[in-house]
Amino acid sequence: RKEVEQDPGPFNVPEGATVAFNCTYSNSASQSFFWYRQDCRKEPKLLMSVYSSGNEDGRFTAQLNRASQYISLLIRDSKLSDSATYLCVVNIGTGNQFYFGTGTSLTVIP
Amino acid sequence: DTGVSQDPRHKITKRGQNVTFRCDPISEHNRLYWYRQTLGQGPEFLTYFQNEAQLEKSRLLSDRFSAERPKGSFSTLEIQRTEQGDSAMYLCASSLFPGPSYEQYFGPGTRLTVT
Repeated sequence: RKEVEQDPGPFNVPEGATVAFNCTYSNSASQSFFWYRQDCRKEPKLLMSVYSSGNEDGRFTAQLNRASQYISLLIRDSKLSDSATYLCVVNIGTGNQFYFGTGTSLTVIP
Repeated sequence: DTGVSQDPRHKITKRGQNVTFRCDPISEHNRLYWYRQTLGQGPEFLTYFQNEAQLEKSRLLSDRFSAERPKGSFSTLEIQRTEQGDSAMYLCASSLFPGPSYEQYFGPGTRLTVT
C-alpha cells in the first residue's frame, strides 16, 4: 500500500468554482503534512503546511483528520492561475523522509 | 537569488555513461534531500543529508547511485553506468532542522535523458 494516496483527477472546473482535494495516508505515526503545487515541468513549491486545527491562507483552506488519516485542500473562487498539479506530502518522524502523493491535476477553465 | 539551485538543468547522456549533478541548498539550511520524479508521479525520496552526514537512503538508490555532501554545503549526486530507466527529473530540496515545521524548498531540478 502506498504511504500517500491521492485522486489523480483531472479536475476541470470553471473560474470562480470551489474545488476540494483529498489525500489519505497510511502511517498513523505521520507527524507533518503539506500541500505543494507543481506547475508543468517545474519544481514543487510549498503551498501550505497543514495544522491539526486546520488553517487558511486566502482562498486556500487545509484540514487534517488524524482519526481518518486524511488531509484536504479547499480552493475557493478558483482562478485560471490555480491550474497546476497539487501534491499531498506527509512526513513520518522528525523531518527525515517525506512521502509524496502522485498529485491531483487541476485545470480552471475560463 | 537565495533559493535552491541545481546544475545542470538538463543532461542528455548515452546509456552506460556516468553523470554527476550538483545542488546548492539555501545557505542556512542544514538538511538536503534528493528526489527522483518521473512523469505522472510525485517525487520519490532517494536520500538525505544533515550537514555532511548521509543519514538515510531509499531502497530505490541502487549501487550505481552515490551522493555526497563533503562540507555540509553543496551536494552531488552521481549515477554510474546510466540506464534508460534512470531518465527522470532529479530534484534537490533543503530544509532547516530543527525548525518550526519541516518545510522543504525545492530547486528547479535536473532533467536527465538517457538515450
